[in-house]
Amino acid sequence: GAVVSQHPSWVICKSGTSVKIECRSLDFQATTMFWYRQFPKQSLMLMATSNEGSKATYEQGVEKDKFLINHASLTLSTLTVTSAHPEDSSFYICSARKPGLTYEQYFGPGTRLTVT
Amino acid sequence: GQNIDQPTEMTATEGAIVQINCTYQTSGFNGLFWYQQHAGEAPTFLSYNVLDGLEEKGRFSSFLSRSKGYSYLLLKELQMKDSASYLCAVRENTDKLIFGTGTRLQVFP
Repeated sequence: GAVVSQHPSWVICKSGTSVKIECRSLDFQATTMFWYRQFPKQSLMLMATSNEGSKATYEQGVEKDKFLINHASLTLSTLTVTSAHPEDSSFYICSARKPGLTYEQYFGPGTRLTVT
Repeated sequence: GQNIDQPTEMTATEGAIVQINCTYQTSGFNGLFWYQQHAGEAPTFLSYNVLDGLEEKGRFSSFLSRSKGYSYLLLKELQMKDSASYLCAVRENTDKLIFGTGTRLQVFP
């Protein structure tokens, strides 16, 4: 199997605070993890690609100083939303890719962030 | 530019067959994925096409034509639990997946 977990599953925070979301591959090592954002009734938008041991690659329009990504080990990547604002409220989903010839991404269950 | 289009919504009747189309224009192509996503949940993998033709997996089949930039997902013997969003995603030359707009399918009894 290929299980990816996220923590927390939901979080409510006040405007101006920071929130950290963890993404873990539980039964495989993931050299590459991806962070997506999904607004209601919209599709997934790739925010950044996270490679273990190196800096993340951000998509155009995503502020790297606001969305801090750390991929410190082969099983853990974290996304920190700094100085959160209500417009950052969204569903954040991570995925992880197994090394090798398969290109399938395994998705975590998502984190619902609400900024008040 | 990148463009992946799907119909926004579709409805169908339990037991019927439905085809969800996806057209794409991307800077690179290394395969096309279909995912199912229930509301508030993460997407789950349905199929992967990298060569032209039809891939069949139980009640679900997926077709790809690279020359036409076109794919479809075919769902047979529809069940109520198939009500969900269906996402088409193209893998570009890197690991990146570019997702389409998604199609919300409602299955009625």
